[in-house]
Amino acid sequence: DGGITQSPKYLFRKEGQNVTLSCEQNLNHDAMYWYRQDPGQGLRLIYYSQIVNDFQKGDIAEGYSVSREKKESFPLTVTSAQKNPTAFYLCASSQGKPYNEQFFGPGTRLTVL
Amino acid sequence: AQSVTQLDSQVPVFEEAPVELRCNYSSSVSVYLFWYVQYPNQGLQLLLKYLSGSTLVKGINGFEAEFNKSQTSFHLRKPSVHISDTAEYFCAVSDPGYSTLTFGKGTMLLVSP
Repeated sequence: DGGITQSPKYLFRKEGQNVTLSCEQNLNHDAMYWYRQDPGQGLRLIYYSQIVNDFQKGDIAEGYSVSREKKESFPLTVTSAQKNPTAFYLCASSQGKPYNEQFFGPGTRLTVL
Repeated sequence: AQSVTQLDSQVPVFEEAPVELRCNYSSSVSVYLFWYVQYPNQGLQLLLKYLSGSTLVKGINGFEAEFNKSQTSFHLRKPSVHISDTAEYFCAVSDPGYSTLTFGKGTMLLVSP
C-alpha cells in the first residue's frame, strides 16, 4: 500500500532536548511538507521541500530544522530553540503542483515535559 | 498574501439534518480550493477540490461544495449528516503560483443522535 508513515505516534521529551520526527513516503511524490497543529489554530506550515536537497521555510520555521537527502524521507528536528514545541505534527506529500492534493501522514504528538 | 476564514469554530447538528460549513478566502489571483476532514488523532483526508469548471463540486461521503467567485466563498454542504461525520473540517487555498496550501482554522462538526 502506498502512503505516508510518521513515527513515533507519541513522543515525550524533556525541555532543552532536540528531537527528530520521522516522515517517509512511498508515493514517489516530489514535494513534502511539515505542519504544526495546535487546538483552534488550524495547520501552520513549518518547512517544505519540492525536490531532493532543497527546502524552504514556511510560516513558522524558527526553532525547527529539516533535511531532504532522499526523495522518500523528510525528517523534522525540533530544536531546543523552539519555545513551545508541544503540538501535533503532520507530514504531507504531493506531486508538487498547486492543483495537486496533499496526502497526509497520521501525525506525531510531541509532548515536552 | 492569501488567507482563509472559517466562520464557525464549532457546528452542532442533529443526525439526518443538513449542514453547511462556511469558508471564505482572500486572494488577488485565481485559486485552487480544497476541503479536508480530520478524524480525532489522525491525519487529514481530502473531501473535495475545486480547480476550474463547474462551480458545484462533489466529493466523498456525500459532501459537496460550491465555489462563488464574487463572494470569495467555498462553502461545504451535506444534505443529511451521520454520527460518523463528527470530525474537524478544514478549508484550504492554493495559489496557482505556489505548491503550498494556506489552511483555515477548522470547523468542528458535532453530530448528535
